[in-house]
Amino acid sequence: QVRLVESGGGVVQPGRSLRLSCSASGFIFSNFAMHWVRQAPGKGLDWVAVISVDGSTKYNTDSVKGRFTISRDDSKNTTSLQMNSLTTDDTAVYFCARDPRRIARFYFENWGQGALVTVSS
Amino acid sequence: EIVLTQSPATLSLSPGQRAALSCRASQSIGSYLAWYQQKPGQAPRLLIYDASIRATGIPARFSGRGSGTDFTLTITSLEPEDFAVYYCQQRSDRRTFGQGTKVEI
Repeated sequence: QVRLVESGGGVVQPGRSLRLSCSASGFIFSNFAMHWVRQAPGKGLDWVAVISVDGSTKYNTDSVKGRFTISRDDSKNTTSLQMNSLTTDDTAVYFCARDPRRIARFYFENWGQGALVTVSS
Repeated sequence: EIVLTQSPATLSLSPGQRAALSCRASQSIGSYLAWYQQKPGQAPRLLIYDASIRATGIPARFSGRGSGTDFTLTITSLEPEDFAVYYCQQRSDRRTFGQGTKVEI
């Protein structure tokens, strides 16, 4: 079955960087677009970024543009989110999610369990 | 940015009752709407996409309808495991989610 496992969360000071990874199994990873979605404590869901099947196309939500970079390594079945210049507003659980298709439809069919990122001094 | 407004914020029902959750978009999004269920401490689960198509493995008691700006998720007969928070999400423009409806016992 589809399995997504995030890692790399933790506590980081404002202005610092953190890298999240998502390890995928149970499906042909290279055939699907991948997303990151976050959820601040006690709040709703917020789409963060998407990467296409070949990694050539990436989109971010406006609030993380220029700070967050999504990437993928199909040889390792992983997608990553490099987060720079973190602020307290970035504190959230970050979910890795699989799109239903090769060409991103921007629905989130399968989810990981999430990685908590806490930005605090 | 397209804003999705969900109502009510909280729905208090009993097992076996019918639940109707509303999601209204600030502008037309065609049928580009999904519904998710989230239980405490868990990741969301995709229930419905393209307004009315059930995702794989989703029971038939969940149904979605609507187009344009008004959408509804219906749960025909609530099971104990259905008490959760439900979010709608649009993919028409700059993916956004609604604020959620909590279905409580």
